[in-house]
Amino acid sequence: EPEVTQTPSHQVTQMGQEVILRCVPISNHLYFYWYRQILGQKVEFLVSFYNNEISEKSEIFDDQFSVERPDGSNFTLKIRSTKLEDSAMYFCASSAMGTPSPLELFFGEGSRLTVL
Amino acid sequence: AQSVTQLGSHVSVSEGALVLLRCNYSSSVPPYLFWYVQYPNQGLQLLLKYTSAATLVKGINGFEAEFKKSETSFHLTKPSAHMSDAAEYFCAVSDRGGNTPLVFGKGTRLSVIA
Repeated sequence: EPEVTQTPSHQVTQMGQEVILRCVPISNHLYFYWYRQILGQKVEFLVSFYNNEISEKSEIFDDQFSVERPDGSNFTLKIRSTKLEDSAMYFCASSAMGTPSPLELFFGEGSRLTVL
Repeated sequence: AQSVTQLGSHVSVSEGALVLLRCNYSSSVPPYLFWYVQYPNQGLQLLLKYTSAATLVKGINGFEAEFKKSETSFHLTKPSAHMSDAAEYFCAVSDRGGNTPLVFGKGTRLSVIA
């Protein structure tokens, strides 16, 4: 069964360092998303991406964050200068266009980021 | 803006007992509602969704949920819990359809006792 894969599963970094989280969406999907969950809090929307550009982003997604689809398979989230409050589980998701419900998101297992 | 409230961060039931996980939503327009499940060390998986068709929605693994507009609720139920149902459950809402971001609740951890 097709699935969304994320790497790394866990990354520990020092405050101020750059981090890149990688995702491989399901191959025929066209919409891509990043969500995050700070421990004990809600799963929060960060950004959606379609046709090689950001289609929507939340207030959380400030200038420290960027997304990219560098090739036909990967979708990355970059945090330029990490802060302690960026520590969270980051989920990548994708959805297909033209399905009965384009809202059906397929999520990866998440990348846990710990900022020290 | 839409929001979701899940009552109870942790619910514990005996194997074979009824499972009831509560979700209330707030939305200024007719919502689309979802339940996702996260098993340990796995990603979020769609259990079921309400998109303005039947108000009683059946999902995978014997779960179902009923949309009640008067109560702004979308509670998740299963008649008989199995050990394998132990997981984190998330309710989510979207109020525009299309590829709009889902708004999630905080999640409810379900424990099943033998």
